[in-house]
Amino acid sequence: AQSVTQLDSQVPVFEEAPVELRCNYSSSVSVYLFWYVQYPNQGLQLLLKYLSGSTLVKGINGFEAEFNKSQTSFHLRKPSVHISDTAEYFCAVSDTGSNYKLTFGKGTLLTVNP
Amino acid sequence: ETGVTQSPTHLIKTRGQQVTLRCSSQSGHNTVSWYQQALGQGPQFIFQYYREEENGRGNFPPRFSGLQFPNYSSELNVNALELDDSALYLCASSLSLGRLTYNEQFFGPGTRLTVL
Repeated sequence: AQSVTQLDSQVPVFEEAPVELRCNYSSSVSVYLFWYVQYPNQGLQLLLKYLSGSTLVKGINGFEAEFNKSQTSFHLRKPSVHISDTAEYFCAVSDTGSNYKLTFGKGTLLTVNP
Repeated sequence: ETGVTQSPTHLIKTRGQQVTLRCSSQSGHNTVSWYQQALGQGPQFIFQYYREEENGRGNFPPRFSGLQFPNYSSELNVNALELDDSALYLCASSLSLGRLTYNEQFFGPGTRLTVL
């Protein structure tokens, strides 16, 4: 079984500041890792994913994440945020052997202030 | 290409009633997964359907059941509704090419169910 811990429930930042949203996971097997974004009253949109290969993954909207196997972390970063980045962000994992099930963290609300 | 759609958008039921939620997969997708997202929580996996058969289930009681139709659309049925069933129900479709192949899940906007 897998579990995901998002260390911050809320992260307020000012526009154009850098941001890091933290995610740690627990699993006894190899995993795929994901970050999703959810805007108010909408479904989930995939920001980026780590399947294999380079541990630095680039996604949409200028976001990137780094997979650290030794620390079982997959933190999301953006060097300069915009007001439009205000949303809920979810980290998720799935088992590479049966990757149908996504296990999500509780989410981090990113609020970008002017 | 049409994305994943869900109906209805909102629904209000009373405790003990039954509800059916519907999902239309993205064109060309053969797999549907359902998730429950309670307020302030991340989504939780309910089950997945692949080619009209259940292909995995999360920790939900049997009163949560589903169907997948030949056109790959899907229904989620919940019997004997409880107050804790109030949540956003998300459907996600994907194209499964094999058990060990990564299949990206595309999410619909969800159905918000309120149980009074």
